[in-house]
Amino acid sequence: DTAVSQTPKYLVTQMGNDKSIKCEQNLGHDTMYWYKQDSKKFLKIMFSYNNKELIINETVPNRFSPKSPDKAHLNLHINSLELGDSAVYFCASSQDHPASRGETQYFGPGTRLLVL
Amino acid sequence: GQQVMQIPQYQHVQEGEDFTTYCNSSTTLSNIQWYKQRPGGHPVFLIQLVKSGEVKKQKRLTFQFGEAKKNSSLHITATQTTDVGTYFCAGLTTDSWGKFQFGAGTQVVVTP
Repeated sequence: DTAVSQTPKYLVTQMGNDKSIKCEQNLGHDTMYWYKQDSKKFLKIMFSYNNKELIINETVPNRFSPKSPDKAHLNLHINSLELGDSAVYFCASSQDHPASRGETQYFGPGTRLLVL
Repeated sequence: GQQVMQIPQYQHVQEGEDFTTYCNSSTTLSNIQWYKQRPGGHPVFLIQLVKSGEVKKQKRLTFQFGEAKKNSSLHITATQTTDVGTYFCAGLTTDSWGKFQFGAGTQVVVTP
């Protein structure tokens, strides 16, 4: 009965590989997000989707491509992984997009990515 | 661009003492939220402040939103070991869709 789940929890891979992280929420929320948390714990938004539509796309390299097959899922595919991509990636969801009421975000457990 | 700054970055507290963490934005915010992240965990929502000058309390935690809606504070009284973690403020921008700008967080260590 986990609200926001992510797989995998840990991901260790070589530079240059392509990898995907999956996220699912069972809260019936319309908006989902991807955040990157670096080694200094700084949380930075990467993307947000509202009803499968891309709303926010921060200045993220185009090696990162989100995909939302339905509003309960938001996956993140990363091409040609680089050392600097090592971080914890959090998926989150909220009932509606933030501007409507400043929605509470529910975070997934995170995916710890290490690029060697 | 808009930035949310949070100080201090680290806070070592003796159990039973009080402390405050501060959040400052370069521009006016629609609202501000506070999250707590335990070591190895994920951010968990604590509270949202919307109105200018708003003050909210949750047991030993007191949250305040500045009159100009550009700063906020979290004050914890009688710190306990369960308060260990990183506290983040997240300011909601005033642009059309809105996005949360997170502060860098205050990492709190509690010594018994």
